[in-house]
Amino acid sequence: DIQMTQSPSSLSASVGDRVTIACRAGQNIFTYLNWYQQTSGKAPKLLIYAASSLQTGVPSRFSGSGSGTDFTLTISSLQPEDFAIYYCQQSYSSPLTFGGGTKVEI
Amino acid sequence: QVQLQQWGAGLLKPSETLSLTCAVHGGSFSGYHWSWIRQPPGKGLEWIGEINHSGSTNYNPSLKSRVTMSVDTSKNQFSLKLSSVTAADTALFYCARGPVAAGLAAYFDYWGQGALVTVSS
Repeated sequence: DIQMTQSPSSLSASVGDRVTIACRAGQNIFTYLNWYQQTSGKAPKLLIYAASSLQTGVPSRFSGSGSGTDFTLTISSLQPEDFAIYYCQQSYSSPLTFGGGTKVEI
Repeated sequence: QVQLQQWGAGLLKPSETLSLTCAVHGGSFSGYHWSWIRQPPGKGLEWIGEINHSGSTNYNPSLKSRVTMSVDTSKNQFSLKLSSVTAADTALFYCARGPVAAGLAAYFDYWGQGALVTVSS
């Protein structure tokens, strides 16, 4: 299985802040990397696929970058509705695996 | 608009079999793979496996011996059975569309509302 490690596990930020979340894969996954947002009590929502492609309807303040083993999710200006848990997920090989999550708190 | 609606028994005793079903409304059913993903309380996400419209499956090896997925194309539904459950299987279970292949990516783009399954004696 490909291990996905996110850092930090949690962070505190304020509205308007620029936030960066890291995800590291246990082996080269090229750009087979997706990002999801999960708000309390809801199903995860796809934000970014193929490391840097913005899913339709997702605000442009979200962006993704990286390839190989190191990836980053950036929120350029944090909004109140962005306080949530963010997960990365690799789709390079089966079984598909997720990172442990990063909780973005006020 | 694609919607996934899921249901199933919420409280099980150890050794029983978990059974969940997910109905797909809107969009194509046969053109996609369909997955089950679980999330233990307060923890992260674990992919359980996937099935396509013809019934071909791919299970996570960590659960493969206990998992059975099936599909009913006449109703646009797919199902999950997990046998011999223990307290460690207590989780919020999601059905999802995907993995959807798009270039160098395969993602889950539509999710069900989630179903909490508790295993307790």
